[in-house]
Amino acid sequence: GQSLEQPSEVTAVEGAIVQINCTYQTSGFYGLSWYQQHDGGAPTFLSYNALDGLEETGRFSSFLSRSDSYGYLLLQELQMKDSASYFCAVREGQTGANNLFFGTGTRLTVIP
Amino acid sequence: DSGVTQTPKHLITATGQRVTLRCSPRSGDLSVYWYQQSLDQGLQFLIQYYNGEERAKGNILERFSAQQFPDLHSELNLSSLELGDSALYFCASSIGQAPYEQYFGPGTRLTVT
Repeated sequence: GQSLEQPSEVTAVEGAIVQINCTYQTSGFYGLSWYQQHDGGAPTFLSYNALDGLEETGRFSSFLSRSDSYGYLLLQELQMKDSASYFCAVREGQTGANNLFFGTGTRLTVIP
Repeated sequence: DSGVTQTPKHLITATGQRVTLRCSPRSGDLSVYWYQQSLDQGLQFLIQYYNGEERAKGNILERFSAQQFPDLHSELNLSSLELGDSALYFCASSIGQAPYEQYFGPGTRLTVT
């Protein structure tokens, strides 16, 4: 089966940098995805890492280390609108599985 | 706006009833996924269709069923509804069968009374 571990809550100050970690256990690993969800809203795709290293998209970056079964989402120059839940997700472990298994999410609160 | 549409936005119904949720994927996307999200819970995968065929199944109850039509829209049918079925139901779509980058609709909030 799969398991994903993320902190349940993180609080950070506006303008600061925050890192949201995700460790995973899966029988077959293809890559790590990140999604953002504001309260009452729909999840929004942020990034996908299949290979080790850092991927940067504007203020958001995502990192993957396959050898450590670990990834993180880095948010820079935090804004109040970044307050949301952030989910990491992996493809289900079975060969050919076509769905994502989502972590329970990290609720980020940005304070002034 | 992700380009994925879902109707209705809200649905209130009684226990024992049956409802149908509808989803239209983004133009060009062939895969449709259904998820259930209960209060303060993560996203629970229910089922995936690709170009009309079922391709993956999660913890979907036997009381629930889905299908994808030739025009690629999808419907999720929930029957013999129970109070515990109250949740947000999301539909998502992706271009191919690989699920990494999905685009979610606004969701249908189902309340069973």
